[in-house]
Amino acid sequence: AQSVAQPEDQVNVAEGNPLTVKCTYSVSGNPYLFWYVQYPNRGLQFLLKYITGDNLVKGSYGFEAEFNKSQTSFHLKKPSALVSDSALYFCAVRDRNNAGNMLTFGGGTRLMVKP
Amino acid sequence: EAQVTQNPRYLITVTGKKLTVTCSQNMNHEYMSWYRQDPGLGLRQIYYSMNVEVTDKGDVPEGYKVSRKEKRNFPLILESPSPNQTSLYFCASSSTGYEQYFGPGTRLTVT
Repeated sequence: AQSVAQPEDQVNVAEGNPLTVKCTYSVSGNPYLFWYVQYPNRGLQFLLKYITGDNLVKGSYGFEAEFNKSQTSFHLKKPSALVSDSALYFCAVRDRNNAGNMLTFGGGTRLMVKP
Repeated sequence: EAQVTQNPRYLITVTGKKLTVTCSQNMNHEYMSWYRQDPGLGLRQIYYSMNVEVTDKGDVPEGYKVSRKEKRNFPLILESPSPNQTSLYFCASSSTGYEQYFGPGTRLTVT
């Protein structure tokens, strides 16, 4: 079984400050990891993924995430937050050994960036 | 424009009345999935399909059916909807099984 935990329901940050949205995962094998963002009344949009290689992955809109195998974490980061980054963020995992397309999402973290 | 479309976007129905939510993608993707989104639970996968005539259960398949007769379409069928299926539903497609493209969502209310 695979699972994802996003321990914070909401993260508040001031515009211009760095932000971190936390994600930890559990899979039986090696993971594929993803971050998605959801703006109000919209579907989810892909931000970035970790498949293999460099532990630091860069994605859309200046976001990046660091894969840490020992801590089973994949935290989302941005050096300088914008008000327009305010949205709902989802971390997701897929077991590399899973031949299908079973994708498991975390519960989501609402990011609020204040001017 | 590359997109995933879902219809209807909003639906209010009564318990037991069969319904179908359609999903179509124009990107020639092999992979398609259905999810439901509930507050605090994130998205949970209902069913997925790796190709035409190939479907498999996700985390919460009970009460749902799917079919994949054509590559572009992946309808979600609720044979006898119940109030606990009130939710926001998303269809998604992918060419690689990695990043997925999501539709705009269908808000279903079952009374």
